[in-house]
Amino acid sequence: QPALTQPPSASGSPGQSVTISCTGTSGDVGGSDYVSWYQQHPGKAPKLIISEVSKRPSGVPDRFSGSKSGNTASLTVSGLQAEDEADYYCSSNAGGNIPGYVFGTGTRVTVL
Amino acid sequence: QVHLQESGPGLVKPSETLSLSCAVSGDSISRGNCWGWVRQPPGGGLEWIGDVCHTGTTTYNPSLKSRVIISLDRSTNQFSLTLHSMAAADTSIYYCARSPGWYRIDFWGQGTLVTVSS
Repeated sequence: QPALTQPPSASGSPGQSVTISCTGTSGDVGGSDYVSWYQQHPGKAPKLIISEVSKRPSGVPDRFSGSKSGNTASLTVSGLQAEDEADYYCSSNAGGNIPGYVFGTGTRVTVL
Repeated sequence: QVHLQESGPGLVKPSETLSLSCAVSGDSISRGNCWGWVRQPPGGGLEWIGDVCHTGTTTYNPSLKSRVIISLDRSTNQFSLTLHSMAAADTSIYYCARSPGWYRIDFWGQGTLVTVSS
């Protein structure tokens, strides 16, 4: 199944907000309550930061928020901090008759 | 705290079979959840390979389904990945992972780099 589409890069200054989009189809993102977001620092494993579109796991700062409109999900990082510089990936159930997950193409967030 | 640790060869020859194991601590693979594998080529994005749930039910990425087997070893609290007919395009970091459901992965191993080369 084709990957979900994310912008390759995004950036912001400390304290600012950055929003990353994740575009799929009506079969995956658009029809799913199961969009997740992962943060990955260089050389590290991904870390779950948002599940079920907008739920934050315990320990994830409330600076991270998720939403969805139509076939596009979004992750917003408010009050950017230096440690937020990382790669971010969305994922969704693949939808329709396709089993499993599909991941996004990934977005590199740079804190200026 | 749940901890996952991958083990296996770092180098595989083309056409050979990759076998990786994932040791789980802090949880029982028989008690619940699904246990799976995700890979990431160097400098690239994430690709879901498949998973096996505590019931033994497996789900695979359709693009890899003909070459992959994921299974549980309840006696050692480990699960494994077998990927046949390895090619250069399979060179990746392979992560083992836990999914508690709802299409999310809440615990990841540190990852192991597998290179396919003669």
